[in-house]
Amino acid sequence: QVQLVEFGGGVVQPGGSLRLSCVASGFTFSSYGMHWVRQAPGKGLEWVTFIQYDGSNKYYTDSVKGRFTVSRDNPRNTLYLQMSSLRPEDTAVYYCGKKASGSGRYTLDYWGQGALVTVSS
Amino acid sequence: QSALTQPPSASGSPGQSVTISCTGTSSDVGAYGYVSWYQQHPGKAPKLMIYDVTKRPSGVPDRFSASKSGNTASLTVSGLQAEDEADYYCSSHGGTNNFVMFGGGTKLTVL
Repeated sequence: QVQLVEFGGGVVQPGGSLRLSCVASGFTFSSYGMHWVRQAPGKGLEWVTFIQYDGSNKYYTDSVKGRFTVSRDNPRNTLYLQMSSLRPEDTAVYYCGKKASGSGRYTLDYWGQGALVTVSS
Repeated sequence: QSALTQPPSASGSPGQSVTISCTGTSSDVGAYGYVSWYQQHPGKAPKLMIYDVTKRPSGVPDRFSASKSGNTASLTVSGLQAEDEADYYCSSHGGTNNFVMFGGGTKLTVL
């Protein structure tokens, strides 16, 4: 069965950096685009970024452009989110998600359990 | 990037039906057939309930149905059950500058 497990969350000071990892299993990772979506405490979902199955195309929400970088290592079935110049408003649970089978690039059919990132001094 | 508009709350009694709306614009919901709905229980990851406006993934009960008219998409939950109590989020593609947009979420309460 499909499993997505995030690692790397924690507490970081404003201006600092952090890298999240998402290890995938149960499907052919190299065939699917992947998303990161975040949820601030008590708030709604916010899409962050998408990377195509082969890493050739990447898309970001405006608020993270130039600060966050999505990448993937297909042989290791791992998705990454490198976050730098972190701000308090980046505090959130970060979910990785798989692009849905049989649909466009804009739907997530499986989600990880989430990793909490707290930006605070 | 603006969010899609959902009512903050909705409610219904067991066995009843409830409909949640998701209003966008002619540049997102009205332009593309990529509206999805997600269910999220407290402390849990979201779960895909509907994709491509009306399609249900395998394993989602047929009590969940959805539609779209113009710039507004709707999710209907029929035969409400206690376990349907959750937050529901719509999403849509909105072009290159709005790759994926989410609604603000609707808290569904089963009375």
